[in-house]
Amino acid sequence: GENVEQHPSTLSVQEGDSAVIKCTYSDSASNYFPWYKQELGKRPQLIIDIRSNVGEKKDQRIAVTLNKTAKHFSLHITETQPEDSAVYFCAPRDNQGGKLIFGQGTELSVKP
Amino acid sequence: EAQVTQNPRYLITVTGKKLTVTCSQNMNHEYMSWYRQDPGLGLRQIYYSMNVEVTDKGDVPEGYKVSRKEKRNFPLILESPSPNQTSLYFCASRWGGTGGYNEQFFGPGTRLTVL
Repeated sequence: GENVEQHPSTLSVQEGDSAVIKCTYSDSASNYFPWYKQELGKRPQLIIDIRSNVGEKKDQRIAVTLNKTAKHFSLHITETQPEDSAVYFCAPRDNQGGKLIFGQGTELSVKP
Repeated sequence: EAQVTQNPRYLITVTGKKLTVTCSQNMNHEYMSWYRQDPGLGLRQIYYSMNVEVTDKGDVPEGYKVSRKEKRNFPLILESPSPNQTSLYFCASRWGGTGGYNEQFFGPGTRLTVL
């Protein structure tokens, strides 16, 4: 079946440093690549997404890059702040978008 | 306010006692889905619905039932709950029954404990 893997599972950085989380997928039909952020005790929320006809998308301090040939996409957070501390999930999907497999999550800790 | 609501938010029950967790959205979304979240396992899809009267299994459907009689509601039914169904449950919805590169909106979650 389809496989989605996220790395690393935990990431600890100093405030101001950059953080990168990678998501690898197996379904070649995937063409939509979102990242969700889940703060402690809260629901997941979309923070950035990219479609397969775009290689990179940036929104202030966060960016997503896509390598469709290698079947992976990455979340980049620059100038990290304590409020970036959360669990981040990827959830690539195809055009139908019915059945979904989330990555197992990356717990990011930003130390002041 | 556009939102996904779930009820109850917290539930403690006993093995075998049938229960229903309701999910409702007011955004006229075609797609709705249920997930469970367990430590170390991330979010796993239980069932999803592409539109009214159209439901399908996700990754972990055993022990659960759903129905989609109206567009706004997508209840999750546990006919005979067992302790391994103790988990945090999220309902989500998005625009676009087939296709559509749209974000999912999640409900606030329901924490279920089965004793």
